[in-house]
Amino acid sequence: QLVLTQSPSASASLGASVKLTCTLSSGHSTYAIAWHQQQPEKGPRYLMKLNSDGSHSKGDGIPDRFSGSSSGAERYLTISSLQSEDEADYYCQTWGTGTVFGGGTKLTVL
Amino acid sequence: EVQLVESGGGLVKPGGSLRLSCAASGFTFSSYSMNWVRQAPGKGLEWVSSISSSSNYIYYADSVKGRFTISRDNAKNSLYLQMNSLRAEDTAMYYCARDIVGARLPDYWGQGTLVTVSS
Repeated sequence: QLVLTQSPSASASLGASVKLTCTLSSGHSTYAIAWHQQQPEKGPRYLMKLNSDGSHSKGDGIPDRFSGSSSGAERYLTISSLQSEDEADYYCQTWGTGTVFGGGTKLTVL
Repeated sequence: EVQLVESGGGLVKPGGSLRLSCAASGFTFSSYSMNWVRQAPGKGLEWVSSISSSSNYIYYADSVKGRFTISRDNAKNSLYLQMNSLRAEDTAMYYCARDIVGARLPDYWGQGTLVTVSS
């Protein structure tokens, strides 16, 4: 069964970097995913498509501070030079017979 | 500029029906697969349904199969979700989202329309 696992929460200081993780279930390590950001009281925003080889393509207007990488079944979203507006929920997402979302990671910027 | 604007949400009683619409602009609507994704209050994102560009392929989450129907009108640049036999657990913000070409990954989202199922 295709499942995406994310830690419920993460925190980092203003100006620092943070790396969020999304883990694909066993047997699905070659799947591409997408990362989406959802700021409080707003709709989701597409950040990037991330392939299993670590190559990624970002959405329109996404700053260079956002990058992606992969290792095995793990997919990462790294945000550098954290800003207050980065405080948001981050969701990974992929597809098989249906579309699957991870449970989301709530990022707090300290 | 790509825009997706949902409408049609509201308060409905359990067992009732509602039809959501999504008006698309700023891109060639007929070339893209589209989705409905929902978010219950305080919860994460849940995929509801997808439809291919020419309506040849349609998919539903198990939670809505047999009750919801996705459709589109490419001439009107519009996406629809007919929701029947609504339950309290269908209460959520419903988002329309466009897929990347060649992948079932949304790259543009609307702002959502709120559906509340309550007596």
